[in-house]
Amino acid sequence: DTAVSQTPKYLVTQMGNDKSIKCEQNLGHDTMYWYKQDSKKFLKIMFSYNNKELIINETVPNRFSPKSPDKAHLNLHINSLELGDSAVYFCASSQGTGETQYFGPGTRLLVL
Amino acid sequence: AQSVTQLDSQVPVFEEAPVELRCNYSSSVSVYLFWYVQYPNQGLQLLLKYLSGSTLVKGINGFEAEFNKSQTSFHLRKPSVHISDTAEYFCAVTVTGFQKLVFGTGTRLLVSP
Repeated sequence: DTAVSQTPKYLVTQMGNDKSIKCEQNLGHDTMYWYKQDSKKFLKIMFSYNNKELIINETVPNRFSPKSPDKAHLNLHINSLELGDSAVYFCASSQGTGETQYFGPGTRLLVL
Repeated sequence: AQSVTQLDSQVPVFEEAPVELRCNYSSSVSVYLFWYVQYPNQGLQLLLKYLSGSTLVKGINGFEAEFNKSQTSFHLRKPSVHISDTAEYFCAVTVTGFQKLVFGTGTRLLVSP
């Protein structure tokens, strides 16, 4: 009965590869997010979707492409992975503006 | 644009001692404020939030925070910490009517016996 789940939990890959991270929420929320946490623990929003529509895109390289097939899912596809993409990626969801965002457990991406 | 400053990157404290983790924010409009906790190798869990009303907010695990508009602060406090409180604590702000959370750089709370 996990509220926000992400797969995979760990992802180790080579530079130049393409990879995807999946996120699902069973809370019935209409807004989902992707955040990136770097090696210094700094958290920064990347994208936000509301009812499957992109509403926030925070100057993220276009190698990153989010896709929301429905309100409960927000996947993140990354093309041509670079060393600097190594980080922990968190998915989150909320219901409405200013409401609590619930975070997934994170996906630890390591690019070699 | 909004910003959040957590002045202390690390706070060491002994078990059963009180603790205060500082958070200051900058915004020209009304804000919502949050504290999240991140245990090692885990996701973020909401401790408490301020949306409106009483400026003293109580959260889970015995934590509380006070919203001070004049000082643009939202400091987190606990009267007596436990070893299990060792974690990273993040203060975050969002502007009312908008959904983007802006996080501070985090404060690592280290509780020792």
